[in-house]
Amino acid sequence: DTAVSQTPKYLVTQMGNDKSIKCEQNLGHDTMYWYKQDSKKFLKIMFSYNNKELIINETVPNRFSPKSPDKAHLNLHINSLELGDSAVYFCASSSTGGNSPLHFGNGTRLTVT
Amino acid sequence: QQQVKQSPQSLIVQKGGISIINCAYENTAFDYFPWYQQFPGKGPALLIAIRPDVSEKKEGRFTISFNKSAKQFSLHIMDSQPGDSATYFCASSSGGSYIPTFGRGTSLIVHP
Repeated sequence: DTAVSQTPKYLVTQMGNDKSIKCEQNLGHDTMYWYKQDSKKFLKIMFSYNNKELIINETVPNRFSPKSPDKAHLNLHINSLELGDSAVYFCASSSTGGNSPLHFGNGTRLTVT
Repeated sequence: QQQVKQSPQSLIVQKGGISIINCAYENTAFDYFPWYQQFPGKGPALLIAIRPDVSEKKEGRFTISFNKSAKQFSLHIMDSQPGDSATYFCASSSGGSYIPTFGRGTSLIVHP
């Protein structure tokens, strides 16, 4: 069983489009995250979310928005896609609190043309 | 966001050698220091982690050394194998923060 699953694995789209990436975890974790990994492998936190609080990295454009229908899901919506949005996006989850390990999905490679 | 500085950016070792990756953190409130291993096309996965109440933790060929006064910790891979070739990330977080801070990663290549 896949603990953290993301779909799609690859996403190719044109500038200006709106797209979504889905994430589901079956670990019973309370906290979920979205990270962006650029071509240099740097992992940048975008959002952290649990059932009480959404923490947004202030450097993330408001074209990006997380949506959580329930505790096991945290989807990422991106409006008006730009070339610079091309990257690999990782969903992760953990138990509540910062001193628990993260469990990552296998990523979604987004290419904007 | 508090920084975690990781070095080197890339590392090449021969099979059987020792790989050493270093990290330094700023926030003395951090109390959890994991290392993650990432293979191409996969997400990072927890390799080993340490809390500041101990100075060293060993799991098989992987050891974390922790120096609280210097605010530094390092990953040692003994008897490095080609299968260890991957990108390694250190991270730091605290019980009061939901946002782990990652180093910039080290690309390790182990030659046969």
